[in-house]
Amino acid sequence: GAVVSQHPSWVICKSGTSVKIECRSLDFQATTMFWYRQFPKQSLMLMATSNEGSKATYEQGVEKDKFLINHASLTLSTLTVTSAHPEDSSFYICSVRPGLDPNEQFFGPGTRLTVL
Amino acid sequence: GQNIDQPTEMTATEGAIVQINCTYQTSGFNGLFWYQQHAGEAPTFLSYNVLDGLEEKGRFSSFLSRSKGYSYLLLKELQMKDSASYLCAVMDSNYQLIWGAGTKLIIKP
Repeated sequence: GAVVSQHPSWVICKSGTSVKIECRSLDFQATTMFWYRQFPKQSLMLMATSNEGSKATYEQGVEKDKFLINHASLTLSTLTVTSAHPEDSSFYICSVRPGLDPNEQFFGPGTRLTVL
Repeated sequence: GQNIDQPTEMTATEGAIVQINCTYQTSGFNGLFWYQQHAGEAPTFLSYNVLDGLEEKGRFSSFLSRSKGYSYLLLKELQMKDSASYLCAVMDSNYQLIWGAGTKLIIKP
């Protein structure tokens, strides 16, 4: 299966600062990456679909100006949480789907964000 | 609206069998997935069902009934390392994954 990495694995920041999370596809080129958020004891919520070379597609209720997504290359997508607040504290996970087979979806290890 | 329901928490004994149920109502259906998620980690793929019936993979089996909007994950010969959350997810007509909240499985010795 595909190997997906995320950096950092965890981050603590002060309220009002911005945090960048990287998602890398290590062994194949991903034209599409997905960003999820998961609050404790809740399901994964799709935030946005990141498309290489074009604008990301955001899910309803997700502020695109707050969660900036950049998919500048076929192996890297970044999610920047701007002006973070304590309510943004969550587990952020990226995933890739190499082909059309829905059976294949590979997740990064996740990034735990804590905003003080 | 789209909805995935599964129990919040279950407890079972090491060596026993446990069945985790999932019911769904979605816009279209392109398959149902089960994932295992240990605390603080990303989900890992367990199974995929798109046709009715039982899929067996080692100690884990997954069943699907599309007419009933129902699936279950069966875990046999439970081990302590099976303590985790088990997520049911359905791929809808737009090939988007709709996730359940997960079932936390607690294994006791």
